[in-house]
Amino acid sequence: EVQLLESGGGLVQPGGSLRLSCAASGFTFSNYAMSWVRQAPGKGLEWVSAISGSGGSTYYADSVKGRFTISRDNFKNTLYLQMNSLRAEDTAVYYCAKSHFVQGAAFFDYWGQGTLVTVSS
Amino acid sequence: EIVMTQSPATLSVSPGERATLSCRASQSVSSNLAWYQQKPGQAPRLLIYGASTRATGIPARFSGSGSGTEFTLTISSLQSEDFAVYYCQQYNNWPLGTFGPGTKVDIK
Repeated sequence: EVQLLESGGGLVQPGGSLRLSCAASGFTFSNYAMSWVRQAPGKGLEWVSAISGSGGSTYYADSVKGRFTISRDNFKNTLYLQMNSLRAEDTAVYYCAKSHFVQGAAFFDYWGQGTLVTVSS
Repeated sequence: EIVMTQSPATLSVSPGERATLSCRASQSVSSNLAWYQQKPGQAPRLLIYGASTRATGIPARFSGSGSGTEFTLTISSLQSEDFAVYYCQQYNNWPLGTFGPGTKVDIK
């Protein structure tokens, strides 16, 4: 059974930093690209960042580029999101999601339960 | 950036009735369209991918159709557990997949 378990969320002041983790199990972690998707309170879903299975390629939404860094440890089966220079508008539930490729395009077939990040003074 | 729109924003349906949700892309996404269901306090769950393929374990009352820019999710006979928010997502230009704003299906 695929499981994704996020941790690391919490309350942080504007300009602060936080590192999220996502522990994966139930599949061969290194074979799959992974993403972070966030959802502001009462709002819709926004893709934040993605990383290839090897970790060699990373991608970011314009809204977080230069502030957030995605990484993974394929020995620990864990995905990370380092978030720096946090802003109030980064307040959201952050989900990690597993990508499933079909003919060169990927959707999210499994999601974690999410971790809440609140940026406030 | 491909912009996704969904209609209606809210759909009020009685249990047992049929629900039809629409999703439109600002440019063609071929059949690279997924639907997700999200209940309050829960993570999204994949329902449909490839515009019309049900994900593992999804009941047959859920069906998807469309290609290009126009897509539809149909729930043939709404059950109590189906009242939720439904999001469409284009994944034609991974990883820049964009989501629609969602359609809330509530009890009439």
